[in-house]
Amino acid sequence: GENVEQHPSTLSVQEGDSAVIKCTYSDSASNYFPWYKQELGKGPQLIIDIRSNVGEKKDQRIAVTLNKTAKHFSLHITETQPEDSAVYFCAASNSNYQLIWGAGTKLIIKP
Amino acid sequence: NAGVTQTPKFQVLKTGQSMTLQCAQDMNHNSMYWYRQDPGMGLRLIYYSASEGTTDKGEVPNGYNVSRLNKREFSLRLESAAPSQTSVYFCASRERGEGTQYFGPGTRLTVL
Repeated sequence: GENVEQHPSTLSVQEGDSAVIKCTYSDSASNYFPWYKQELGKGPQLIIDIRSNVGEKKDQRIAVTLNKTAKHFSLHITETQPEDSAVYFCAASNSNYQLIWGAGTKLIIKP
Repeated sequence: NAGVTQTPKFQVLKTGQSMTLQCAQDMNHNSMYWYRQDPGMGLRLIYYSASEGTTDKGEVPNGYNVSRLNKREFSLRLESAAPSQTSVYFCASRERGEGTQYFGPGTRLTVL
């Protein structure tokens, strides 16, 4: 069935360094790939998304890249700050516009 | 705008008890969703409603029922709770099709 794999499950980086989270998806018909951030005790919140007709998208310190041939996409956070500490989820759409979610990455920013 | 609201925030049930989780959105969205979140498993779709008057099963519908009461409200019912239903439940809404899903704060449910 449809599947999204996300790695790593935990990522610890020094404040100011970059963080990269990677996802692979199985459904070749997927064409929408959002990233959500979940802070402790809250619901997930969209931080950036990309569609299949675009290879890269940036928003300040956050960027997402997409390789449709390889069926993988990645989240890049530069100049990490303490407020970036959270759990990040990737997702891919299916033909019914439903989202198939990755298992999440806990990002820890060390001071 | 309150966005997506959920009640209750916390609930403890005994095996076999029933309860209804409430969700409401004030963004005039057409689509609404119920997810459960378990450690290490991300979000799994229980049921969704693409528009008022329709509901469909998601990935893990067994043991649950839903009602799209009107465009604003989408409730999730557990008829006979089981320990395997211990989880955090999130409601979300979206205008239509693809695009941003807006999530509520979640309900943490424990079934003893």
